[in-house]
Amino acid sequence: QQPVQSPQAVILREGEDAVINCSSSKALYSVHWYRQKHGEAPVFLMILLKGGEQKGHEKISASFNEKKQQSSLYLTASQLSYSGTYFCGTEYSGGGADGLTFGKGTHLIIQP
Amino acid sequence: DAGVIQSPRHEVTEMGQEVTLRCKPISGHNSLFWYRQTMMRGLELLIYFNNNVPIDDSGMPEDRFSAKMPNASFSTLKIQPSEPRDSAVYFCASSVGISYEQYFGPGTRLTVT
Repeated sequence: QQPVQSPQAVILREGEDAVINCSSSKALYSVHWYRQKHGEAPVFLMILLKGGEQKGHEKISASFNEKKQQSSLYLTASQLSYSGTYFCGTEYSGGGADGLTFGKGTHLIIQP
Repeated sequence: DAGVIQSPRHEVTEMGQEVTLRCKPISGHNSLFWYRQTMMRGLELLIYFNNNVPIDDSGMPEDRFSAKMPNASFSTLKIQPSEPRDSAVYFCASSVGISYEQYFGPGTRLTVT
C-alpha cells in the first residue's frame, strides 16, 4: 500500500521553510526520504527507524510518529539547490522481509 | 568508487522484442533493488535481492518480466516480449541492507514503440 505524501507541490522563496508529510495506513518499521532532481536518480536524505534511530545528513531534519504512522521532512532556510521531487519510502516489516514502497512524491520549487 | 553502474542508458526497441537491462552494484553491498519510474505510477519496486537471492518479487508486473542475480556484482532485468506500456526509466539501486541508504544508478530509459 502506497504511502500518501502531502502537499503534492510547493513553491517557496529562497530562505523560506517547508514541511513535507508522509502517512501510511499500515504500521511502519522505517521511513526513508530521497530527493530527485529532474533527469537524475534519487539521492538519499534520511532514514527514520521504529524506536527513534535516525540515519542521515546533518542539515536535514525529520520526524517519525509511530503511533500516527506518519513522518515529516523539515526543510529550513531553503536554498535553490533544494529544488526537486521528494519521495518517502516506507518499510513495513523489519529484517528485510520487504522492500520500500514509495509515495508519489512532493515537487518543491525554490525561487530566488 | 564508481557507484552503481547501469547499461544501457537508453534503449529504444520495437514491441515484441526482448530487452535486457544490466546492473553492477557497489562492491560490498549485498542488497540490490530494481525500480521502475513513470509519471503515472511513480517509483515502483519491482524486485529486491539480498545476498543474490530474490526476497520480494511481488512488484514484478507479469511473467514477461524476469530478474536474475548470478553473483554479487551483476544483475539483469529482462522483459520478453516487450510492450509499449513497459516504457519507463528503470533504476537499479544497492545498499548494505534494506534498512540502509540506497545508492541509485543513473537509470535506463526504455522506449518501446
